[in-house]
Amino acid sequence: AQKITQTQPGMFVQEKEAVTLDCTYDTSDPSYGLFWYKQPSSGEMIFLIYQGSYDQQNATEGRYSLNFQKARKSANLVISASQLGDSAMYFCAMREPYKAAGNKLTFGGGTRVLVKP
Amino acid sequence: KAGVTQTPRYLIKTRGQQVTLSCSPISGHRSVSWYQQTPGQGLQFLFEYFSETQRNKGNFPGRFSGRQFSNSRSEMNVSTLELGDSALYLCASSDPGTSGTSETQYFGPGTRLLVL
Repeated sequence: AQKITQTQPGMFVQEKEAVTLDCTYDTSDPSYGLFWYKQPSSGEMIFLIYQGSYDQQNATEGRYSLNFQKARKSANLVISASQLGDSAMYFCAMREPYKAAGNKLTFGGGTRVLVKP
Repeated sequence: KAGVTQTPRYLIKTRGQQVTLSCSPISGHRSVSWYQQTPGQGLQFLFEYFSETQRNKGNFPGRFSGRQFSNSRSEMNVSTLELGDSALYLCASSDPGTSGTSETQYFGPGTRLLVL
């Protein structure tokens, strides 16, 4: 069974600084997708960034980038130039191929980020 | 495009009752997935519907059921509610069939269910 681990339950970051959120995963399938979502206190899950297991380059999306190290099975999210609005829970998630799991996402436990002014 | 919508947003029920939650996906999205989020268990996959068929199911008791209509709207039903069913229920839609970011699941605001 696949597993997603986020070892940082919570962290503080100074406004305008960069922060790295850790995510490690475990799967035996060579084909998978990795996602990061942001969940503000309102509850809605907001998609941030996606990395496919066969993608040659690390994904980037504005201030978000994904440090994908396939051999180490890690997919860390980097948020550059943190803003107060970045304060939220962040979840790493993985999807295995449709044949195995359809569109099911498995989530990590999340990391709570608090940006300090 | 309008995002995923869920109704109702908040719900209070008592043990033993049943509840139906509704989810309208993003226009054109054919897959709808449901997740339960609790402080103790985190985010857990309930089931996924695609073209009115349940494609995958998580490890939940039979009290949890769902369906999808021809317009891709989906409902989930929980019968004989228990205190432990109190949770945030999130619905997500996607347009599978192509690879990459187009398979991304986009979530609705959730329904907060409190069982007393």
